Amino acid sequence: DAGVTQSPTHLIKTRGQQVTLRCSPKSGHDTVSWYQQALGQGPQFIFQYYEEEERQRGNFPDRFSGHQFPNYSSELNVNALLLGDSALYLCASSIDRGVDYGYTFGSGTRLTVV
Amino acid sequence: GNSVTQMEGPVTLSEEAFLTINCTYTATGYPSLFWYVQYPGEGLQLLLKATKADDKGSNKGFEATYRKETTSFHLEKGSVQVSDSAVYFCALRRLGNEKLTFGTGTRLTIIP
Repeated sequence: DAGVTQSPTHLIKTRGQQVTLRCSPKSGHDTVSWYQQALGQGPQFIFQYYEEEERQRGNFPDRFSGHQFPNYSSELNVNALLLGDSALYLCASSIDRGVDYGYTFGSGTRLTVV
Repeated sequence: GNSVTQMEGPVTLSEEAFLTINCTYTATGYPSLFWYVQYPGEGLQLLLKATKADDKGSNKGFEATYRKETTSFHLEKGSVQVSDSAVYFCALRRLGNEKLTFGTGTRLTIIP
């Protein structure tokens, strides 16, 4: 059973550019959350998507946007990249059933902004 | 707001030693509490969880008890192995809120 799949695994971008990261949730999961993990820190919640809508958002600027597709996969877009956006970006999927089934995390995309 | 405070790392122990990693939290209401583990080059894996006061979560020899009176959720293991070397994150999730709030993580290294 495939877990959460993220692509690419590593990415190097130049300051000011735009980037798109992709996530396929675990089979049977319908909710996708994105987290940013800076080096040596705990993950920080960016936003969550359910039924193709952004359901909740953390304290991130509008440069961070996302999308969820009918097959539940998701994209994270970051515009006007800053050096401080360098981090590991984690995708987590879950089931929305009103019960806390917990989140399954992918291995992440390591983004380096130079 | 909600927050999680973890024991400062890194922590280095010998194989078969007893492990405690402290975690305290600040939150309104009754959050669910979690321990996640991150092995090198990998994402986070759920280690254990507890959803109400006095619940004990356990998995792979690790245990943690939800203590509302001390707002704590300390992780323990009686005899650690080299394979337990990883970064451990304590986290909380408030009822009705979708986000997980993480601590800064504790790096654990077990030496043979």
